[in-house]
Amino acid sequence: GDSVTQMEGPVTLSEEACLTINCTYTATGYPSLFWYVQYPGEGLQLLLKATKADDKGSNKGFEATYRKETTSFHLEKGSVQVSDSAVYFCALSDHSGAGSYQLTFGKGTKLSVIP
Amino acid sequence: KAGVTQTPRYLIKTRGQQVTLSCSPISGHRSVSWYQQTPGQGLQFLFEYFSETQRNKGNFPGRFSGRQFSNSRSEMNVSTLELGDSALYLCASSPNLATSTDTQYFGPGTRLTVL
Repeated sequence: GDSVTQMEGPVTLSEEACLTINCTYTATGYPSLFWYVQYPGEGLQLLLKATKADDKGSNKGFEATYRKETTSFHLEKGSVQVSDSAVYFCALSDHSGAGSYQLTFGKGTKLSVIP
Repeated sequence: KAGVTQTPRYLIKTRGQQVTLSCSPISGHRSVSWYQQTPGQGLQFLFEYFSETQRNKGNFPGRFSGRQFSNSRSEMNVSTLELGDSALYLCASSPNLATSTDTQYFGPGTRLTVL
């Protein structure tokens, strides 16, 4: 079935450092791709998404480009802040029959940003 | 607009008991999906409900069940609890039956601990 692989964490960065979290996927169809973020003690929040090849999703300084040729959707930010400390999940929409879709997630990457 | 709400936020049960978790979707949303999050397995899809009907089910045993009411609120039930059922259970809603491009909006989750 479809799957998502993202880099293992934890990742620790100093404030204002550059961030890249790698994400690659395997899909039989043509999925949409998502990055979700989970802050401590909370549920998942959508960070950004892209629905077709070469689309760039962006939000709060984070960006990711849907690369069909490399089946990747890497998350990047030019200058991280302490408030970005969280767990980041890459996900794809996965057709699951009955005309519906479900999300398939990567394992998550924990990011800690230190002042 | 209020977000997805889940009750209770925390539960402690013992092996063999059963438990019911509740989810109220965003007003106007008709689809509710459930996910289980554990450190070992990550985020896994449980099931999706739309118009009071289960549309999809993930690879979980029959001890896991759910239902949806006419107001789109959903409950999930786990019977004969096992230690491995300890997890964060997340509910997500979307306006209609999930499509490839739809965003799913997550609640804060219910933390279930089985002793």
